[in-house]
Amino acid sequence: DSGVTQTPKHLITATGQRVTLRCSPRSGDLSVYWYQQSLDQGLQFLIQYYNGEERAKGNILERFSAQQFPDLHSELNLSSLELGDSALYFCASSASGLGNQPQHFGDGTRLSIL
Amino acid sequence: DAKTTQPPSMDCAEGRAANLPCNHSTISGNEYVYWYRQIHSQGPQYIIHGLKNNETNEMASLIITEDRKSSTLILPHATLRDTAVYYCIVRVVGSGGYQKVTFGTGTKLQVIP
Repeated sequence: DSGVTQTPKHLITATGQRVTLRCSPRSGDLSVYWYQQSLDQGLQFLIQYYNGEERAKGNILERFSAQQFPDLHSELNLSSLELGDSALYFCASSASGLGNQPQHFGDGTRLSIL
Repeated sequence: DAKTTQPPSMDCAEGRAANLPCNHSTISGNEYVYWYRQIHSQGPQYIIHGLKNNETNEMASLIITEDRKSSTLILPHATLRDTAVYYCIVRVVGSGGYQKVTFGTGTKLQVIP
C-alpha cells in the first residue's frame, strides 16, 4: 500500500461528458502528480502541483484541468470526453516535489468512454 | 529531464540475478536516476534511486557508472512476482526541479520458472 488513494477505481461514461478524478496524497506529502496511461502505452505526465500551486506541466489537453486543495488532495477534471480519453489515470505524491525524492503512486482510476 | 534508453524486453531465470540496463548519456550533474516498476496495470512502484554512488535497499541494487551515463538495476534473486515493466527515469534536483517527468517505454522483464 503506497498510501496514495485514488477514487473512483473505475468510471464508465459517454462521449461529451465531464468527470472528476480524486487523489489523496500520502500523509505529509506536499506534491501531487497526474499521469495518463493509454492501453499498452507508457506513462504520460500531465501536471504537477506543490502545496496548492501548479509547478510543472506536461502534455495535458486544454479539456483537462487539475487543482490541489488546501488539504492537499487533488482533483483532475476531464471535460468534453472523447473515446481516446479512455485510459488509466494515475496520481502520485512526493514529499517536496523536487527530483531528489521518489514518487509514490496510487492504484489508478480506469476511465472507459463509451 | 534527460531521456533514457532501455531494452524493450528481457528474460531471467527464476532465482538468478536480473540485470536491467539503462542508458542516460545526456544526464546532468544535478539529475538523479530513479527506477520504478509496474506490474500489469497496477500503479508503478518505486524501487530505488541514486545520484552518483551505488545504492542498495531491500528490493534491489543500483549501479551507476563513474561517468553517470548509464546504470544497471540488479534484482539479486528474481522471482515470478518480479515479472513487470521496469522504468528508468532521471529527474533534476534543485530550484530547477519542477520540470515535467518523462517515463519511457521501459523494459518488460519476464521471469521464467
